[in-house]
Amino acid sequence: DTGVSQDPRHKITKRGQNVTFRCDPISEHNRLYWYRQTLGQGPEFLTYFQNEAQLEKSRLLSDRFSAERPKGSFSTLEIQRTEQGDSAMYLCASSLEGRRLGYTFGSGTRLTVV
Amino acid sequence: RKEVEQDPGPFNVPEGATVAFNCTYSNSASQSFFWYRQDCRKEPKLLMSVYSSGNEDGRFTAQLNRASQYISLLIRDSKLSDSATYLCVVTLNTGNQFYFGTGTSLTVIP
Repeated sequence: DTGVSQDPRHKITKRGQNVTFRCDPISEHNRLYWYRQTLGQGPEFLTYFQNEAQLEKSRLLSDRFSAERPKGSFSTLEIQRTEQGDSAMYLCASSLEGRRLGYTFGSGTRLTVV
Repeated sequence: RKEVEQDPGPFNVPEGATVAFNCTYSNSASQSFFWYRQDCRKEPKLLMSVYSSGNEDGRFTAQLNRASQYISLLIRDSKLSDSATYLCVVTLNTGNQFYFGTGTSLTVIP
């Protein structure tokens, strides 16, 4: 197992375009999280899944954002009609339910909207 | 009010110095506490959990004060490789969202 994997590492897109990011968690982890981090700030929670169920969504997750985890393994985060304010690092993390340990983060996808 | 507040620094200290970071949290129902380390343009990585009795890992000591709702991280004998941003993290329930502070920037100077 190589940890949490995110793809792509970098994405530059024009305003108004749709983008999709993928996250592959650590294989035995049933919880998966998406966070967003902008410069000078700590990561901010977007949403989390337990297996395939999306159990919590932040108010930050506007209707332009959607996340899925169809088979309880990998997850995708889609942003529709991107805006310049969406430029950020999008971090995925995974954990095992019931373990009082911190997350393991992926390397992130850095999105730049021009 | 933010869930977690940290002094953003920057802290610039000479090698070998001892440096301490504090972090306060607003929700008394917070249950789990962590310190993460983040290098420039990298993902955050777990440095250590913080336990009520306090805990130590080599040169790093973490303390939790539930009455005053703050967490601290002490780094002794600073190394150049300790230069990073240190993020304070609290959770309300095990496994749910983590609340991150804005991070405290540390630069260790030769």
